[in-house]
Amino acid sequence: DGGITQSPKYLFRKEGQNVTLSCEQNLNHDAMYWYRQDPGQGLRLIYYSQIVNDFQKGDIAEGYSVSREKKESFPLTVTSAQKNPTAFYLCASSIGQGEAFFGQGTRLTVV
Amino acid sequence: KQEVTQIPAALSVPEGENLVLNCSFTDSAIYNLQWFRQDPGKGLTSLLLIQSSQREQTSGRLNASLDKSSGRSTLYIAASQPGDSATYLCAERNAGGTSYGKLTFGQGTILTVHP
Repeated sequence: DGGITQSPKYLFRKEGQNVTLSCEQNLNHDAMYWYRQDPGQGLRLIYYSQIVNDFQKGDIAEGYSVSREKKESFPLTVTSAQKNPTAFYLCASSIGQGEAFFGQGTRLTVV
Repeated sequence: KQEVTQIPAALSVPEGENLVLNCSFTDSAIYNLQWFRQDPGKGLTSLLLIQSSQREQTSGRLNASLDKSSGRSTLYIAASQPGDSATYLCAERNAGGTSYGKLTFGQGTILTVHP
């Protein structure tokens, strides 16, 4: 089955730790995105990539980093510089500016 | 900066009713607009995509319209069912400039359909 796989589903981070969220797609999409969802704030764009080895900051990139070494993979690292990382993280992909498809999300909690 | 607003924030209706969800956007250079459904704790499921050159799209009991001149889109759900209960989100994609390719989301409408 084609789709977007995010892992893990739940992730717990201690203060000062870096953690990496995985996003893999087998749809052969060139564009990939990371969004953060908080209650009452909707989805906010963290980073997006339109092609391998290239990516752009979204609206809330501070405290996050990404890489795009392979077309099918777009991992997101939440660094210790992100002071309020507890949120639901969603990965998406599309062919250019076409229809966007989302994964099932990763819920990150700071403990 | 593009902004997307969805009204109402929440809607509760009895089963069988036809209903309309509203989405307004400020982007004058819209490329397309997409409607999604989100169940609690889950990812987003794409419902309909309307290109800027189109006026509407239909899928089953769902019909989405787009009016670029007024900056509005509506999602019409016919004969609502309890299984339609979810949060509905609209997102517009910008056509160019520094926001090229970016999807901007509204905050969603929480729909509850009572049996």
